[in-house]
Amino acid sequence: AQTVTQSQPEMSVQEAETVTLSCTYDTSESDYYLFWYKQPPSRQMILVIRQEAYKQQNATENRFSVNFQKAAKSFSLKISDSQLGDAAMYFCAYGGNTGNQFYFGTGTSLTVIP
Amino acid sequence: ETGVTQSPTHLIKTRGQQVTLRCSSQSGHNTVSWYQQALGQGPQFIFQYYREEENGRGNFPPRFSGLQFPNYSSELNVNALELDDSALYLCASSSTGRMDTGELFFGEGSRLTVL
Repeated sequence: AQTVTQSQPEMSVQEAETVTLSCTYDTSESDYYLFWYKQPPSRQMILVIRQEAYKQQNATENRFSVNFQKAAKSFSLKISDSQLGDAAMYFCAYGGNTGNQFYFGTGTSLTVIP
Repeated sequence: ETGVTQSPTHLIKTRGQQVTLRCSSQSGHNTVSWYQQALGQGPQFIFQYYREEENGRGNFPPRFSGLQFPNYSSELNVNALELDDSALYLCASSSTGRMDTGELFFGEGSRLTVL
């Protein structure tokens, strides 16, 4: 079975600084997708960024980028120039190409300090 | 484009009762997934409906059941409520039953409290 582990329950960052959130996963599949979702206090999960496992190039979306290490099964999220609106719970998620469910980690609560 | 909407947003039930949660999928989406998010945890997959048929189920007992309607809206029913069923229930829609497009669009959830 696939598992997703986020070892940082809480992180904090100064506004305008950079922070990296960690995620590791376990799978026997060779083709899959990885995601970072943001859940602000309003509760609605919002996709931040996604990575297809077959792509070697790390995904980037504006201030958000990932470091995808397939062999190490590691998928970290880097947030540059942190803003107050980035404060939220961040979930790493795995989606296999043969299944139909996502597996989520337990989340990292990010605080942005003004 | 209308997003995923869920109702009710909050509800309180007592142990042994039954509850129905509703979800309207995003326009153009034919797949709905339900997740349970206990306090301080990540979402756990309950089941998925694709074109009105159950298309996968997580490790939840049969008292968790669902429906999908021709307009692709969906219901989650939970019978014989237990205290541990207290959680945020998230509905997510997507345009395919597979991971090909890979993205789920979530509603804001229904917060269920079982006393």
